[in-house]
Amino acid sequence: EVQLVQSGAEVKKPGESLKISCKGSGYSFTSYWIGWVRQMPGKGLEWMGIIYPGDSDTRYSPSFQGQVTISADKSISTAYLQWSSLKASDTAMYYCARGGTSIYGSGNNWFDPWGQGTLVTVSS
Amino acid sequence: DIVMTQTPLSSPVTLGQPASISCRSSQSLVHSDGNTYLSWLQQRPGQPPRLLIYKISNRFSGVPDRFSGSGAGTDFTLKISRVEAEDVGVYYCMQATQFPFTFGPGTKVDIK
Repeated sequence: EVQLVQSGAEVKKPGESLKISCKGSGYSFTSYWIGWVRQMPGKGLEWMGIIYPGDSDTRYSPSFQGQVTISADKSISTAYLQWSSLKASDTAMYYCARGGTSIYGSGNNWFDPWGQGTLVTVSS
Repeated sequence: DIVMTQTPLSSPVTLGQPASISCRSSQSLVHSDGNTYLSWLQQRPGQPPRLLIYKISNRFSGVPDRFSGSGAGTDFTLKISRVEAEDVGVYYCMQATQFPFTFGPGTKVDIK
C-alpha cells in the first residue's frame, strides 16, 4: 500500500525553529515528486512547494519562497518541511502529498496519497 | 500564477439529488504534453484531502461512479449524480499544469 505518514502535532513559540516530516512507503520514494500544502484554520488549501527526492530538485510557490525550506533524505524515504523562525501566522495544518514522476509533463501529474497532516501551533 | 475560481462556494443538497460544481481557470490548463492536469479533491470534515478525479474526467481508484468530471481548456465541472451523506465536505479543483500549482477556493457541500 502506498502511504505517506507525517510526524505528530507540534506546539512552538514564535521565533523557534521546526522541522516536520513525511515518510513514504510502498513505492519507489525517489521516483515521485512530493508536495507540501498549507491549510490555515478554517481556510482552503495552498501549495507551498514540491521536491523530487531522486535529485532534490525543489520548487517553491512565490508566497513561500524564503519562508520555509523543503528537503528530502532518500536513504530513509522522508521529506521535510522546515522553518528557521516561526511566526504565529504559521499556525496551520500541513499536508504532504505524492505527485507524479515529473512535474514537467509526464502524463501522471496528480496527487495521491496524502499524508494525515501535521498540526503546527505557534503561540507565545 | 493561474487563478482557480469555483462556483458555488456553498451547496446545500437534498440526499439523493444531484450536485454540480463549476471550476474556471484564468488560463488554459492544457499542458505542452497534451494533457490537462485538472484534478478534483474531496476533504471531509477533519480529514486530509482525497483525490477523486484526475485529468478532468478520470475517476481515481475506489471513487464511486456517482462522481464524474468534465470540461476542457478553462472550464470544468464536477457532478455528483445522487448525493449521499458521506459526500458532505469541501471540494477543491486543482491545477497541476503550471507551477506554482493552485487550488480553487473550495465548495462546501452539505445536506439540506
